[in-house]
Order: sequence, then structure tokens, then C-alpha cells
Amino acid sequence: SQQGEEDPQALSIQEGENATMNCSYKTSINNLQWYRQNSGRGLVHLILIRSNEREKHSGRLRVTLDTSKKSSSLLITASRAADTASYFCATDAQGGSEKLVFGKGTKLTVNP
Amino acid sequence: GAVVSQHPSRVICKSGTSVKIECRSLDFQATTMFWYRQFPKQSLMLMATSNEGSKATYEQGVEKDKFLINHASLTLSTLTVTSAHPEDSSFYICSARGAGEAYNEQFFGPGTRLTVL
Repeated sequence: SQQGEEDPQALSIQEGENATMNCSYKTSINNLQWYRQNSGRGLVHLILIRSNEREKHSGRLRVTLDTSKKSSSLLITASRAADTASYFCATDAQGGSEKLVFGKGTKLTVNP
Repeated sequence: GAVVSQHPSRVICKSGTSVKIECRSLDFQATTMFWYRQFPKQSLMLMATSNEGSKATYEQGVEKDKFLINHASLTLSTLTVTSAHPEDSSFYICSARGAGEAYNEQFFGPGTRLTVL
């Protein structure tokens, strides 16, 4: 089964810096999504990028998708302490599968 | 965005007891609900998929007799952990998907922290 793998596993930066997290997956997908999870909380949907899209923006977030390399990146610009959280990518599978498969996540710490 | 709630948010129980967790979609009808389990510092692992009015589909390795799922209405799914043991202690998260969604966006509940003593 496919599985997203994020790297780095942990990232610590200063407020104002940019944070880049990467995700790789194994099988063909319809779309890829990024979620944020604050410690001990549920997931918040950040952005979805379809397999025919290469880049998508939402506020301070920029997501890229390279289906030839089966990888995606999430860039958070001008980071804030409130961005401190774990970030997960999730992929579905072509063929109409409803299931999402989550990567292991990147724990981001933004120091004030 | 759509709102999904879970109840309780936190539960502590004795080994051998059963615990029921509710997942509700508050402002939309959820044709499909998903139950995930997340161990500390790990990712979410899908346990089962439930469609309203039909039996849940369990992922490989998940005991259906231990984790009973009921999706009796379009806004409510329940997960019952039967005869809970300490190794069942985990963070349980549900998500819901509405009918007619053009893409697979799932809305997640806030999670339930289960501690089995």
C-alpha cells in the first residue's frame, strides 16, 4: 500500500523564516492533501492539490506537486510561532478510493 | 468549513470495560465516516470506513469484534472499543466525507484520547 513519507521528521526555525516540508508517495494518486495537527488535537485541512496541478497557493502556504517524482512540498512563508504543529501529507489512490493514507508527519517548531 | 465533533474528548477507563466514542457531522450529511487511531508521535492509521446504513469495512489487522462501528444516520457514527486493554490506549480520530464531493476532502473531528488503566 502507498504511504506518504515526510521529511524532515522535525524542523526547528525562527519566526519569520520560511519552512519547507517534503512528502513522497509510492503509487499514482488523484490528489494530495496537507493537514496540520496541533499537539493532542484533530487535523485541520490546509490545502489540496490535484494530480494535474503543479503548484497551488493559499495565503502563506505554497504547495507543489511533482507526479513524475511522486513528491510534494509544503512551503510556509514568514512563519509565526502559531505555525508550530505537526504537518501531514495524505494521498488517495487513483481508481476512486475514498481512503487517505497519511505520511509520518513533520513536527515544525517556530521559535519566537 | 464543515464541522465534525467527537464525544468524549477524553476518557479514562478500567481494563475490561467498553468505551463508546461518538462522531457527529454538525452541518452536513456524512455518507462516509472514517475512524483513525494515532499513537504518540506517530501518524494516523485508518482503522475502518463506515457508510451510512451498511457494515463498516475494516483495515487489515483491525479486529472488527473489538472495534464495533455503527453508522446509523447520516450525521452520527460510533466506535465502541470492547473489553478495552492498556494497549488500546490511543488517540482516536474520526473524519467525515459529504455526499457528492468532487474530491476526497475529509473533515476531521478533534479526537478522543482514550486511556485504559
